[in-house]
Amino acid sequence: ETGVTQTPRHLVMGMTNKKSLKCEQHLGHNAMYWYKQSAKKPLELMFVYSLEERVENNSVPSRFSPECPNSSHLFLHLHTLQPEDSALYLCASSQLPGLRETQYFGPGTRLLVL
Amino acid sequence: AQKITQTQPGMFVQEKEAVTLDCTYDTSDPSYGLFWYKQPSSGEMIFLIYQGSYDQQNATEGRYSLNFQKARKSANLVISASQLGDSAMYFCAMREGDGGFKTIFGAGTRLFVKA
Repeated sequence: ETGVTQTPRHLVMGMTNKKSLKCEQHLGHNAMYWYKQSAKKPLELMFVYSLEERVENNSVPSRFSPECPNSSHLFLHLHTLQPEDSALYLCASSQLPGLRETQYFGPGTRLLVL
Repeated sequence: AQKITQTQPGMFVQEKEAVTLDCTYDTSDPSYGLFWYKQPSSGEMIFLIYQGSYDQQNATEGRYSLNFQKARKSANLVISASQLGDSAMYFCAMREGDGGFKTIFGAGTRLFVKA
């Protein structure tokens, strides 16, 4: 089974909608991450959870709300988004955050905000 | 501040030849880790290779090797015997020892392998 899965793979939403992105990891990892990848920009770290506790919030607008109910699942709740939030949202996991820890990524959710 | 620079927006290589993708970094932390990831058109980031700042030897993983020149702060990825399936975006990334959770990514290089 694929290590890190994300649903949906594609999402189109209006600025007044509320939607959620889901990430699930099957690797037994203890840390999970949300990244944003916009066109022609480097990957940007949004949130980090370690042992279900948020340890990093990289100045992300409050219209993005993460949730980590357990070490295998991570959600990103979206509300009142802007067109500039259209991007590829990537989830990743690692054993624990650390210098040598390799992050394993999911396939991403391509989000379009109209 | 951390910085990763990939100066080649796009590269072409003939199938079966070797190619080098450049990466330079900037950090004042003596302890750091460098990563290379591959991103095919499907979107998933695939880990390729890791180099620690204190590692004595250059990292190798199959057809991938990392040309680590610490004094020059460069960590170039070398792909030997290129295959058509190597066509993708390649990202260099760095994590500092005291950063804990943050991995900083470069802008990427798009590699095209020609038959």
